[in-house]
Amino acid sequence: GNSVTQMEGPVTLSEEAFLTINCTYTATGYPSLFWYVQYPGEGLQLLLKATKADDKGSNKGFEATYRKETTSFHLEKGSVQVSDSAVYFCALSDWGSSNTGKLIFGQGTTLQVKP
Amino acid sequence: GAVVSQHPSWVICKSGTSVKIECRSLDFQATTMFWYRQFPKQSLMLMATSNEGSKATYEQGVEKDKFLINHASLTLSTLTVTSAHPEDSSFYICSANDYLSYNEQFFGPGTRLTVL
Repeated sequence: GNSVTQMEGPVTLSEEAFLTINCTYTATGYPSLFWYVQYPGEGLQLLLKATKADDKGSNKGFEATYRKETTSFHLEKGSVQVSDSAVYFCALSDWGSSNTGKLIFGQGTTLQVKP
Repeated sequence: GAVVSQHPSWVICKSGTSVKIECRSLDFQATTMFWYRQFPKQSLMLMATSNEGSKATYEQGVEKDKFLINHASLTLSTLTVTSAHPEDSSFYICSANDYLSYNEQFFGPGTRLTVL
């Protein structure tokens, strides 16, 4: 079945450091890929998405490119801020097989940015 | 746009009681709503998918009689935890999508349930 695997956290960085959070997926068909962010005590917010191979999603300085050849969707940011501290989830939408659009999430990666 | 609300944001109840959580799409019609459960420091586990006017589809291992889902209108879905026990304590999150943005889910802020 479809699945998403993220690098284990927590990831601890100093402010202005470069961030990479790895995400790989297994899927049949052509899923859409997403990164969501969850701040403490809150629900999920969509950070960025890509709907087809080679698409690059970007938002708030974060980027991720849909790489079909490596089945990856790694999240990057050139210079992190303390306010980026949160849990990041990689996900794919399962429209192809289930026709419901349900999301399959990775396990989440906690990012802590220190001043 | 695309705002999803949940009520209540947190609830504490005694063991054996039932608790209802509401999920509303405020500015769009939700063709499909999803209910997730999240344990501390863990990922989201999909519990069920519901479409307006039809029965919810539950994921394997989720008790239908314990977690009652009603999607009565295009803007409201409810999750009722029946005869709650301490092991049901969790963070419950709903999400919704519509026919215009079928490929994207919009998430509610979550409901923290604590069963004493």
